[in-house]
Amino acid sequence: SQTIHQWPATLVQPVGSPLSLECTVEGTSNPNLYWYRQAAGRGLQLLFYSVGIGQISSEVPQNLSASRPQDRQFILSSKKLLLSDSGFYLCAWGKGSGELFFGEGSRLTVL
Amino acid sequence: QKEVEQNSGPLSVPEGAIASLNCTYSDRVSQSFFWYRQYSGKSPELIMSIYSNGDKEDGRFTAQLNKASQYVSLLIRDSQPSDSATYLCAGQSGGSYIPTFGRGTSLIVHP
Repeated sequence: SQTIHQWPATLVQPVGSPLSLECTVEGTSNPNLYWYRQAAGRGLQLLFYSVGIGQISSEVPQNLSASRPQDRQFILSSKKLLLSDSGFYLCAWGKGSGELFFGEGSRLTVL
Repeated sequence: QKEVEQNSGPLSVPEGAIASLNCTYSDRVSQSFFWYRQYSGKSPELIMSIYSNGDKEDGRFTAQLNKASQYVSLLIRDSQPSDSATYLCAGQSGGSYIPTFGRGTSLIVHP
């Protein structure tokens, strides 16, 4: 069966520090991969999606970037965090049908 | 018009009642529809998918799709306190692999 792992689960970072969130999928090949952010009490905001290795599409201009170095690995990064980057970050995978399967999420607090 | 709209709630129902969650959508997301359940502090979990007009039942859950009215709903029979969560509606258009999410409806089932 397919599983998705995301880490770290929680992190507190100072403004201006770097960020790296990682997500891996097991049990499937060539998944579509997604990074979402959910601010407190808000809906899901799509940040990046990828349909293959090295193929990244950005939905929202920001100081975040994403990379897909391997088929089932998706990384979200920032060189310098802003206060507004705080939120709940969710990685998800799908096969194009619209059904998405989410990781456990990473809760980021920027102070 | 937002592409997928939901009443934020909260919707409060007594234990054992039927909870009815509703969602409307625009033409851009008119192909496939999904319901996700998100417990507080957790990631969304896919609970139902529906692709054609009519009803689809899975245990206590029934998804209803009316494409003429651009309306999709989720019925939860015999509601339990454990059903208390935020329910996200999502739609996806044909040819796209990016579902569009509503902001979610908070459901509270009280004993």
